[in-house]
Amino acid sequence: GENVEQHPSTLSVQEGDSAVIKCTYSDSASNYFPWYKQELGKRPQLIIDIRSNVGEKKDQRIAVTLNKTAKHFSLHITETQPEDSAVYFCAASKPGGSYIPTFGRGTSLIVHP
Amino acid sequence: NAGVMQNPRHLVRRRGQEARLRCSPMKGHSHVYWYRQLPEEGLKFMVYLQKENIIDESGMPKERFSAEFPKEGPSILRIQQVVRGDSAAYFCASSGSGGTYEQYFGPGTRLTVT
Repeated sequence: GENVEQHPSTLSVQEGDSAVIKCTYSDSASNYFPWYKQELGKRPQLIIDIRSNVGEKKDQRIAVTLNKTAKHFSLHITETQPEDSAVYFCAASKPGGSYIPTFGRGTSLIVHP
Repeated sequence: NAGVMQNPRHLVRRRGQEARLRCSPMKGHSHVYWYRQLPEEGLKFMVYLQKENIIDESGMPKERFSAEFPKEGPSILRIQQVVRGDSAAYFCASSGSGGTYEQYFGPGTRLTVT
């Protein structure tokens, strides 16, 4: 089955800095890669996703890049703010009878004011 | 536009009791997924259902756990004879039909087994 590795497990930055979270996946058939943000005690929320027909996608301060050859994808947050502090999960999914994503273990991002 | 609803939000059960967790998907969504999250861990897939059908239950323990999504009403995750190790947050997510991938999560049910 699919295996998703996510690094780092904890990331601490100063407000205004950039943050990068990286994920690798094992199944070359995976073609959908969402990112979720989970604040403490809250539900995971989809913040951005990318499909394998594109290499990069951007939404304001958030961008995701995908390298299908190397089987890795990354989340980039620029100009970080304290409210970006949360746990971020990457996931990989592939087409088939059931669209079940495999999640990474999460990255705890702490943005210091 | 109501999102995914789950109830109860918090559930306390003694060892050996039954726990019933409910999930109502977003309007127009017919696919429901259940996940379990232990403290400071990721989301572990349990079961995927469509109306009246279990599509994939490969992540669900073979004993004590069951799930359903009836034609009418919410999806239910049922845990019989709960043990302390069942204490976790249980999230459901829903997605639309037609091959869409996006999943939207409910607020979760935090189960505590005493």
